[in-house]
Amino acid sequence: QLQLQESGPGLVKPSETLSLTCTVSGGSISSSSYYWGWIRQPPGKGLEWIGSIYYSGSTYYNPSLKSRVTISVDTSKNQFSLKLSSVTAADTAVYYCARLRVAGTMDYWGQGTLVTVSS
Amino acid sequence: DIQMTQSPSSLSASVGDRVTITCQASQDISNYLNWYQQKPGKAPKLLIYDASNLETGVPSRFSGSGSGTDFTFTISSLQPEDIATYYCQQYDNLPFFGQGTRLEIK
Repeated sequence: QLQLQESGPGLVKPSETLSLTCTVSGGSISSSSYYWGWIRQPPGKGLEWIGSIYYSGSTYYNPSLKSRVTISVDTSKNQFSLKLSSVTAADTAVYYCARLRVAGTMDYWGQGTLVTVSS
Repeated sequence: DIQMTQSPSSLSASVGDRVTITCQASQDISNYLNWYQQKPGKAPKLLIYDASNLETGVPSRFSGSGSGTDFTFTISSLQPEDIATYYCQQYDNLPFFGQGTRLEIK
């Protein structure tokens, strides 16, 4: 059974860079059938797709966040990572990683991790 | 960007009721539309993909229909465990979600 697990600091200071890693188990991140992505959800609000990556390193990002987002993949560790720079309180959210079928359907999700931006 | 308008934003219904949620896209997205269920404190769960296909293991009381710009999600007979927030998501170009519908028991 495929499992995804987010990890990283739960507290980030304003203007700093948020960094999270998603570890994939029970399947290979190098599968040609899937992308891997990050989605976030501010407290009490809806879901926002951040960006996605293919095992080859090809990426696509939400235009509203593109200038601050970097997603990378480490196939040797079966992990992919998110970096979001210059964070503000508006970036406080539960961050999820997910597997995307090539067309964009998110079929497996991590449990989510809350990241709070505060000094 | 393609905008998704989901309605209603909240809904109260009784056990056994038929429940319908709609999602409208700002442009034609063919059948590139999914529906997710999110229970409090949990990750979203895929229920319907490609507008009308039931994900494996999902009860048959859930269904979806539509194509182009107008889509519908239906629970044929509401169960207590269906209390959740439901989201549509299009993936015609970049993946974006609707605003969500909070479903409560009356």
